[in-house]
Amino acid sequence: QKEVEQDPGPLSVPEGAIVSLNCTYSNSAFQYFMWYRQYSRKGPELLMYTYSSGNKEDGRFTAQVDKSSKYISLFIRDSQPSDSATYLCAMTGGGGNKLTFGTGTQLKVEL
Amino acid sequence: DTGVSQDPRHKITKRGQNVTFRCDPISEHNRLYWYRQTLGQGPEFLTYFQNEAQLEKSRLLSDRFSAERPKGSFSTLEIQRTEQGDSAMYLCASSLQLGGWDTQYFGPGTRLTVL
Repeated sequence: QKEVEQDPGPLSVPEGAIVSLNCTYSNSAFQYFMWYRQYSRKGPELLMYTYSSGNKEDGRFTAQVDKSSKYISLFIRDSQPSDSATYLCAMTGGGGNKLTFGTGTQLKVEL
Repeated sequence: DTGVSQDPRHKITKRGQNVTFRCDPISEHNRLYWYRQTLGQGPEFLTYFQNEAQLEKSRLLSDRFSAERPKGSFSTLEIQRTEQGDSAMYLCASSLQLGGWDTQYFGPGTRLTVL
């Protein structure tokens, strides 16, 4: 079983929809949680990060972490076609800061 | 542009050949990471450097793989005697580690195809 599980999708939504992306994990040592966006054939780009449990909002994006359930989420409001990409969750426990990624969820926002 | 750069962007090679990739991190970033990403999967950690010291290597990094960061600036990743299973995107990331957590900035990757 992988340390981080993420539904690979694909997920297709109409423009303007609210998108919910999720990951579960098994390693209790994870303290920092990130969401990266990756366009086709490009490197991952950091969207948001949170430390420990709680919510964080940045524009149309909201990240939530529930350490008790080992569950993290990314919400995208008013989704746009330009949001079409693969969204990767990543996490680390500190020490060395190597990231453990989910498989990524492929999102398509249609006009 | 002062982001992470990688060279080459694409490499096609025959099985058994050696290949070398280069990563130039963001200036003054003291940490440099290598990851490997196969189709439909997230990146997997390979190794990382703090300045010129290689501090951790994944079990994924077999004896055929070697990485260096000789002067604490750019890094190279060499794969000897390539196998078809080495076909993947090789990603480099850099960060400024001042204590605690550091944001990793990724390069565009080098896509390796082994025929």
